[in-house]
Amino acid sequence: EDKVVQSPLSLVVHEGDTVTLNCSYEVTNFRSLLWYKQEKKAPTFLFMLTSSGIEKKSGRLSSILDKKELSSILNITATQTGDSAIYLCAVGKAYSGAGSYQLTFGKGTKLSVIP
Amino acid sequence: KAGVTQTPRYLIKTRGQQVTLSCSPISGHRSVSWYQQTPGQGLQFLFEYFSETQRNKGNFPGRFSGRQFSNSRSEMNVSTLELGDSALYLCASTQRGITDTQYFGPGTRLTVL
Repeated sequence: EDKVVQSPLSLVVHEGDTVTLNCSYEVTNFRSLLWYKQEKKAPTFLFMLTSSGIEKKSGRLSSILDKKELSSILNITATQTGDSAIYLCAVGKAYSGAGSYQLTFGKGTKLSVIP
Repeated sequence: KAGVTQTPRYLIKTRGQQVTLSCSPISGHRSVSWYQQTPGQGLQFLFEYFSETQRNKGNFPGRFSGRQFSNSRSEMNVSTLELGDSALYLCASTQRGITDTQYFGPGTRLTVL
């Protein structure tokens, strides 16, 4: 059975701190790993990492995929109160016969940034 | 480009009723996936449609069904509602599905009384 495990489940930090969120996976036919930020409703896309793109950076956020360790980290530097959200890790697997693509999500890490 | 839209945004039903939720993907996207999100289980995959065909289905009972139309809009139906079906239902679209990023709609919050 496919598994995506995120840690920690929740985290409280002060503004300006740096945080590292973890995601490990056991998924057959791995194709990609995605990070999403969910504040109130829809998850919003942050990064997609694949075998050909194992490191991504956007502003204060960065992410690395370790295919050997079957894991990924999401780093947020100089955190702000606006970073408070649930961060979801999802692993995409392909069903080559059907041509389908499915995401398996972790339970998420709830990040709270206090002023 | 307009994002993924879902209607209705909120819905209250009673046990035993049925419900239909609608999703319009981003223009040009042909793959639509549906997810159920609950506090206990997180986001769970329901099914995926591409060119009006269901390509993949998650581990949900047959009361959950869906379809996709020629314009890529998709509907999901839940029959004989149970209290445990109360959840946020999210749909996501991609261009083709394979290795594409999925973009999510705002969700439909279903409450079953």
